[in-house]
Amino acid sequence: NAGVTQTPKFQVLKTGQSMTLQCAQDMNHEYMSWYRQDPGMGLRLIHYSVGAGITDQGEVPNGYNVSRSTTEDFPLRLLSAAPSQTSVYFCASSYSFGKPYEQYFGPGTRLTVT
Amino acid sequence: ELKVEQNPLFLSMQEGKNYTIYCNYSTTSDRLYWYRQDPGKSLESLFVLLSNGAVKQEGRLMASLDTKARLSTLHITAAVHDLSATYFCAVDTNFGNEKLTFGTGTRLTIIP
Repeated sequence: NAGVTQTPKFQVLKTGQSMTLQCAQDMNHEYMSWYRQDPGMGLRLIHYSVGAGITDQGEVPNGYNVSRSTTEDFPLRLLSAAPSQTSVYFCASSYSFGKPYEQYFGPGTRLTVT
Repeated sequence: ELKVEQNPLFLSMQEGKNYTIYCNYSTTSDRLYWYRQDPGKSLESLFVLLSNGAVKQEGRLMASLDTKARLSTLHITAAVHDLSATYFCAVDTNFGNEKLTFGTGTRLTIIP
């Protein structure tokens, strides 16, 4: 199992550009989530999905879109990048019920918007 | 709105000493998680605490949960340098683990 994979690992964007952060998991997890991590603020939930075709907003959804067309993939789209979106982005996945309960995190994407 | 507070935010301690990290949360929750993060790395799951009074131990780390006090602790026994990392607690917000609210983290530095 590769677990949770994310691409790219690093990205630099100019203000106003758009891009998609990729996330995939091979554990047949129902739940997938996107978080951003900023210094001194812990992780904050951007969007999440409880299954293919179902997505919902988290704490900080503005400026981001998601879709879940398959169980395995959960891409995060930045519509028009802003410097405030400079952050480290983590994708996570988990089972919907039963053990193990914990979320499994990908390696992260470090995004800089200039 | 669920709030999760950790303290201390920074902790510098000598090898061989004991210390405790505290995690308070503001509303009823189903599960509490502890994660470890090394610099520039992803999050590694340490413990999942499922009920009031739950206690779990792994090596020099022990986590406990008091749901009535809305408090979890992560106790470090006889610290060693390898435990230097940032530790996060996180809480379910929806009785489902697709939505976690994280504390701000405790940066632990173990000094030889």
